Amino acid sequence: DAGVTQSPTHLIKTRGQHVTLRCSPISGHKSVSWYQQVLGQGPQFIFQYYEKEERGRGNFPDRFSARQFPNYSSELNVNALLLGDSALYLCASSLRLAPNEQFFGPGTRLTVL
Amino acid sequence: GQQLNQSPQSMFIQEGEDVSMNCTSSSIFNTWLWYKQDPGEGPVLLIALYKAGELTSNGRLTAQFGITRKDSFLNISASIPSDVGIYFCAGTPSNTGKLIFGQGTTLQVKP
Repeated sequence: DAGVTQSPTHLIKTRGQHVTLRCSPISGHKSVSWYQQVLGQGPQFIFQYYEKEERGRGNFPDRFSARQFPNYSSELNVNALLLGDSALYLCASSLRLAPNEQFFGPGTRLTVL
Repeated sequence: GQQLNQSPQSMFIQEGEDVSMNCTSSSIFNTWLWYKQDPGEGPVLLIALYKAGELTSNGRLTAQFGITRKDSFLNISASIPSDVGIYFCAGTPSNTGKLIFGQGTTLQVKP
């Protein structure tokens, strides 16, 4: 069975631009979460979606938004990119909202110049 | 905000040695998870713990959910070179699905 997939794998943007990252969960999983991981640190929670509804939001500015589609795939959007948004963006899927085992994708490496 | 303190920050050991790392929280967690991350890849789930006092093994790995629900440890027995990587603890507070991660333990194994 396919694991969590993310696209693109790498992305280079300039300050002020907008970016959309995509995630497909494990088949049968209804919850998708997004995390930001900067170099040398653990992942930081951004959003969780379950059954197409936002069920949790981390301490990130409104420039960050997400949505989940009827097939449970998800998009993370970041507007007005800043240099500090450069990071590995990870998507994780789980069967249910909580308690849960979250399985991570390979991530999207975003570089903002 | 809630934080997890993970220690040690790094370890450099000889192949065949046992390894122990732990994580503590200032508040109660409902779930403890342990992940391993290789460079440029996403974290891979090693062990999940759901009950206070629970002790779970996965091959040479053993993890425990502390009885206070504020800590967890991971042991690796008879380490091998492929154990090299960064190990993260993660927990969920209350009944949320949000994972809070520790700072990671970097493990290096000398053949």
